[in-house]
Amino acid sequence: GQQLNQSPQSMFIQEGEDVSMNCTSSSIFNTWLWYKQDPGEGPVLLIALYKAGELTSNGRLTAQFGITRKDSFLNISASIPSDVGIYFCAGSPWTQGAQKLVFGQGTRLTINP
Amino acid sequence: DSGVTQTPKHLITATGQRVTLRCSPRSGDLSVYWYQQSLDQGLQFLIQYYNGEERAKGNILERFSAQQFPDLHSELNLSSLELGDSALYFCASGEETQYFGPGTRLLVL
Repeated sequence: GQQLNQSPQSMFIQEGEDVSMNCTSSSIFNTWLWYKQDPGEGPVLLIALYKAGELTSNGRLTAQFGITRKDSFLNISASIPSDVGIYFCAGSPWTQGAQKLVFGQGTRLTINP
Repeated sequence: DSGVTQTPKHLITATGQRVTLRCSPRSGDLSVYWYQQSLDQGLQFLIQYYNGEERAKGNILERFSAQQFPDLHSELNLSSLELGDSALYFCASGEETQYFGPGTRLLVL
């Protein structure tokens, strides 16, 4: 089946540092989404990407949809304590209206003040 | 707040029992998706409904079933529960972009 490889699995950084994480797939996706999940809560959408090559920002977050349609990255600039959490990439191999999402394994971000 | 609501927030039950999880999508969304999140499997797609009709199926067990009603709310029914069914169950709604509810934490004892 389709799989997303997300890396790194965890990151330990200092407050104020920039963060970068990425996802790669063995197959093509038509949509890439990035979510953040806090413990016991549902994933919260951060950025949605719909076109190959698209670069989108949301405040300190920037994400790109890879040209090959098989990868995406998320950057967080000048990290702050509330950025702590688990970040997931998700891809949608859209087929005839079906929109199931395939998720990466997540990147756990820890920030030292 | 994503606009997607789920009830109950927590559910504790015994093996062999049956439970029903409920989801109300965002206003205007016709699609509802169900996902299971466990520690060892991550977030896994279970099933999608669109305007009352099943549209896509993922790794959903035969003991599990879902439906979407005319008012577009959806229910996920889990029967003959096993210990391994303990997990977070999320509902999402939307089309190209999916918005997740707060989840139902199911504990099977």
